[in-house]
Amino acid sequence: NAGVTQTPKFRVLKTGQSMTLLCAQDMNHEYMYWYRQDPGMGLRLIHYSVGEGTTAKGEVPDGYNVSRLKKQNFLLGLESAAPSQTSVYFCASRKRGQGATGELFFGEGSRLTVL
Amino acid sequence: GNSVTQMEGPVTLSEEAFLTINCTYTATGYPSLFWYVQYPGEGLQLLLKATKADDKGSNKGFEATYRKETTSFHLEKGSVQVSDSAVYFCALSKTSYDKVIFGPGTSLSVIP
Repeated sequence: NAGVTQTPKFRVLKTGQSMTLLCAQDMNHEYMYWYRQDPGMGLRLIHYSVGEGTTAKGEVPDGYNVSRLKKQNFLLGLESAAPSQTSVYFCASRKRGQGATGELFFGEGSRLTVL
Repeated sequence: GNSVTQMEGPVTLSEEAFLTINCTYTATGYPSLFWYVQYPGEGLQLLLKATKADDKGSNKGFEATYRKETTSFHLEKGSVQVSDSAVYFCALSKTSYDKVIFGPGTSLSVIP
């Protein structure tokens, strides 16, 4: 019962460094999402994907790129990290189609600090 | 457009007090409604849901009723415990929507 798995769970970067967060889900869900959570800001959608090979921008996409080469994986990349990207990142997935209720399944989060 | 509004808190209650967290929504048609809970240091997890009008979702002593006439989905619990201290998010979704719409979250602290 792995569900949604995020790696790494913690990372410290220096300004200008790059990194990739990996999200993997084993529920055969079509939709996948990347959110960031900051104190007092709730959840903000960065990018999302409605299926393999497709991605779309959310509310706060600047400074991030994503890829969905395989249905089960959704990668979030930071090409040149900035202190403003210090945050907790959550991946989520959900089922599409008949019988789907819209319920999201979340990973445990990845805490990123950019110095 | 579609949106979710909820009381922002923080809310502080004594143990065994009654809890209400208000949530109202704006959406066309009949969305599914959800309450998610986030315990300190963890990700969000589904607390309860309702998929059609007048449905009541319940879990762990929490309840919420889907009220189409008032476009509301208020979260209630009759007697809160210290272990209920968390952030609670109201949300809506439709199978035809790409995105799930979240409220801003309500922080609850329960003191002994």
